[in-house]
Amino acid sequence: NAGVTQTPKFRILKIGQSMTLQCAQDMNHNYMYWYRQDPGMGLKLIYYSVGAGITDKGEVPNGYNVSRSTTEDFPLRLELAAPSQTSVYFCASSQTGGLAGRLEYEQFFGPGTRLTVL
Amino acid sequence: DQQVKQNSPSLSVQEGRISILNCDYTNSMFDYFLWYKKYPAEGPTFLISISSIKDKNEDGRFTVFLNKSAKHLSLHIVPSQPGDSAVYFCAASDGGGADGLTFGKGTHLIIQP
Repeated sequence: NAGVTQTPKFRILKIGQSMTLQCAQDMNHNYMYWYRQDPGMGLKLIYYSVGAGITDKGEVPNGYNVSRSTTEDFPLRLELAAPSQTSVYFCASSQTGGLAGRLEYEQFFGPGTRLTVL
Repeated sequence: DQQVKQNSPSLSVQEGRISILNCDYTNSMFDYFLWYKKYPAEGPTFLISISSIKDKNEDGRFTVFLNKSAKHLSLHIVPSQPGDSAVYFCAASDGGGADGLTFGKGTHLIIQP
């Protein structure tokens, strides 16, 4: 099991450019998440998905888009990159309760993508 | 408006002693709390969690205590080891964790030999 994988590890963008951060998980988790972490801060939720075809906004969704066409993949799209989007981006996944019979689920995180917008 | 607060940016503890990391929250709807550990250039890794129906959860050297009336939780590490040096994040959810987590800013734990 690779767990949660993210590509690329690092990227430098110019203002106004676009890019897609890739995230994949091989644990058959229904729930997937995108967070960003700014220096000295905690992680903030950008978007999340409860299953293929279903996405919802988190705390800081502006400037981002997501899609979830398969259970495994949850790409994050940045359109018109701005310096305020310089951050480390983490993707995570978790299992739902019905199958596991539990009410609480830890989220498993990928290694992150460090993005700089200049 | 920070809903999860970790007021100590850093904490230094001698190897073998107890490390106590604290976390306060303001949202009464939070019903599930987690601690994550993070090394530089890596993603956070799950450490331990506690449901609001409990006041203590133990896993090896790690124990989390929850005081709902004070909206306070703490992570105890006994004994502290050099490999415990990392940033520890407290996180909370009002949906059992399914709708995303609210994180504190983290506490950098340094274990001194």
